[in-house]
Amino acid sequence: AQTVTQSQPEMSVQEAETVTLSCTYDTSESDYYLFWYKQPPSRQMILVIRQEAYKQQNATENRFSVNFQKAAKSFSLKISDSQLGDAAMYFCAYRRQGAQKLVFGQGTRLTINP
Amino acid sequence: DGGITQSPKYLFRKEGQNVTLSCEQNLNHDAMYWYRQDPGQGLRLIYYSQIVNDFQKGDIAEGYSVSREKKESFPLTVTSAQKNPTAFYLCASSIDHVRDRYYGYTFGSGTRLTVV
Repeated sequence: AQTVTQSQPEMSVQEAETVTLSCTYDTSESDYYLFWYKQPPSRQMILVIRQEAYKQQNATENRFSVNFQKAAKSFSLKISDSQLGDAAMYFCAYRRQGAQKLVFGQGTRLTINP
Repeated sequence: DGGITQSPKYLFRKEGQNVTLSCEQNLNHDAMYWYRQDPGQGLRLIYYSQIVNDFQKGDIAEGYSVSREKKESFPLTVTSAQKNPTAFYLCASSIDHVRDRYYGYTFGSGTRLTVV
């Protein structure tokens, strides 16, 4: 079974600095999709960024970018110029090609210090 | 605006009672899902449905039941058989189980269930 591991339960960063959240996953599949979701205090899950496994180019969405290392099964999220509104739980998720469900990691709580 | 509506936001259940959590979407999405969120465990899949009148068990279906009589609605019943129901429950939907695999899910705002 596929598993997703986020080894950092909590992270903190100074406002305007850069932070990287780690995610590793275990799969024997070659075609799959990876996601980062943000859950702010409102608890609404918001899609931050997504990556297709067959694409070598790392996905980027404004201040958010990923470092996708397929061989290492690693999918880290980098947040540049951190803002107070970035404070949230961040979940990494995996979805196998053709599968129904998203498999989530345990989450990383990110705190932004002013 | 399109979206997913979960109600109620907070729900209290007495021991031995069944309760039903509502999930409605107006996104015209085919697939709908129920996840349970516990501290330190991420989200775990309870049930999912690809089309009306069809649904499948997820990883932790015991003590829960669902129905999918309409495309827009996917209610979750937490039965008395669920021994530890206190949790945060999230409903989600996606366009199509084949076409949407790249796009992930759209989530509702959740229901917090507490056993009293």
